[in-house]
Amino acid sequence: QSVLTQPPSVTGAPGQRVTISCTGSSSNIGANYDVHWYQQLPGTAPKLLIYGNRNRPSGVPDRFSGSKSGTSASLAITGLQAEDEADYYCQSYDGSLSGYVVFGGGTKLTVL
Amino acid sequence: QVQLVESGGGVVQPGRSLRLSCAASGSIFSSHGMHWVRQAPGKGLEWVAAIWYDGSNKYYADSVKGRFTISRDNSKNTLYLQMNSLRAEDTAVYYCARDGGMVATYIDYWGQGTLVTVSS
Repeated sequence: QSVLTQPPSVTGAPGQRVTISCTGSSSNIGANYDVHWYQQLPGTAPKLLIYGNRNRPSGVPDRFSGSKSGTSASLAITGLQAEDEADYYCQSYDGSLSGYVVFGGGTKLTVL
Repeated sequence: QVQLVESGGGVVQPGRSLRLSCAASGSIFSSHGMHWVRQAPGKGLEWVAAIWYDGSNKYYADSVKGRFTISRDNSKNTLYLQMNSLRAEDTAVYYCARDGGMVATYIDYWGQGTLVTVSS
């Protein structure tokens, strides 16, 4: 059971827009900790996709965008491409006694 | 070009110990916090441990607290994970990862991972 909740899977057709949600609580996202997103292509290590809620590292296409509101965050992907098929994870920090770095359970994006 | 190369993985019996290493290059190692993150076969990412840039503070997931120890040698640009009392559920690919800042920001670089299999 992950501290941050993501949908297990999302599906979209090429060219479409999809969003992936990440729901936390008052001890993590709601405590004003930033949310970050990672993309993991099959058989590879994760890669930073979005940091600080909405910032893209150099080299990440502007088709990827992030937002945060209250105890939730979202990753949006527009102009879906076949190479976007991957697992996506959100990450934040948790200020509770038992937490520090917390990940979402991951969302598998399938491009039809 | 930041590079993180893990080593030390392998097959180990339950209850035994293993030490992972992560050699860093391409950046000022001592300026960044570091993490270990694991991924069990077919599962999601699980954060394991973190250490501040200067080694002064360490944090652990509840699942490994008291059994795993994270450490670093800034003179050798190397991160370690000492894993004791290993259990079957510790079987995973272990990733060494660099924090984007000195303490707790985001993970900006990941190693390729080393597989640890705990089995009799």
